[in-house]
Amino acid sequence: AQKVTQAQTEISVVEKEDVTLDCVYETRDTTYYLFWYKQPPSGELVFLIRRNSFDEQNEISGRYSWNFQKSTSSFNFTITASQVVDSAVYFCALSDPFGNEKLTFGTGTRLTIIP
Amino acid sequence: AAGVIQSPRHLIKEKRETATLKCYPIPRHDTVYWYQQGPGQDPQFLISFYEKMQSDKGSIPDRFSAQQFSDYHSELNMSSLELGDSALYFCASSPPTEGGYTFGSGTRLTVV
Repeated sequence: AQKVTQAQTEISVVEKEDVTLDCVYETRDTTYYLFWYKQPPSGELVFLIRRNSFDEQNEISGRYSWNFQKSTSSFNFTITASQVVDSAVYFCALSDPFGNEKLTFGTGTRLTIIP
Repeated sequence: AAGVIQSPRHLIKEKRETATLKCYPIPRHDTVYWYQQGPGQDPQFLISFYEKMQSDKGSIPDRFSAQQFSDYHSELNMSSLELGDSALYFCASSPPTEGGYTFGSGTRLTVV
């Protein structure tokens, strides 16, 4: 069975600080996809990234970066120079080998950026 | 770019009533998924359809049913509503090829 663990339930940081959200996953599949979604107070699920298990390169997109380490089954997400608009719940999720099946979500991390 | 459309955005029903949620996937996406997200919880997979056939089933109550129509839109029907059914219901769709898993904005169902 697949499982995603986001051990940090809530994090608060002061604006402009960097913050890392942890994600650890379990799967027996050798091929899989990992996702990060942002859920602002308005409720929608905003897609941030999808990563194939064969691609272990770290990725950077503006202030966002992701560190994928297959050896430790982790896919951590870092926000650099945080802003108030980053306040949201962030979910890490895992899909099946072809990325077209159901997602298993972690329990989410509520991030609050203090002005 | 076209997105996944869900309707209605908000719905208030009384206990024991019936509700129908609709989902219009992105054009040429052939798979539709339904998720339920209770207050303070993560989204939980309910059911999925591929080419109008049920492809997978999660923790969907027997009071709920769903189908995908010939135009690929999907409907989630919920009967004998209970207070615990109050949640955000998300629909997502994906294309025949890899990736492109996209969520709709969700329907917030409140049962009173």
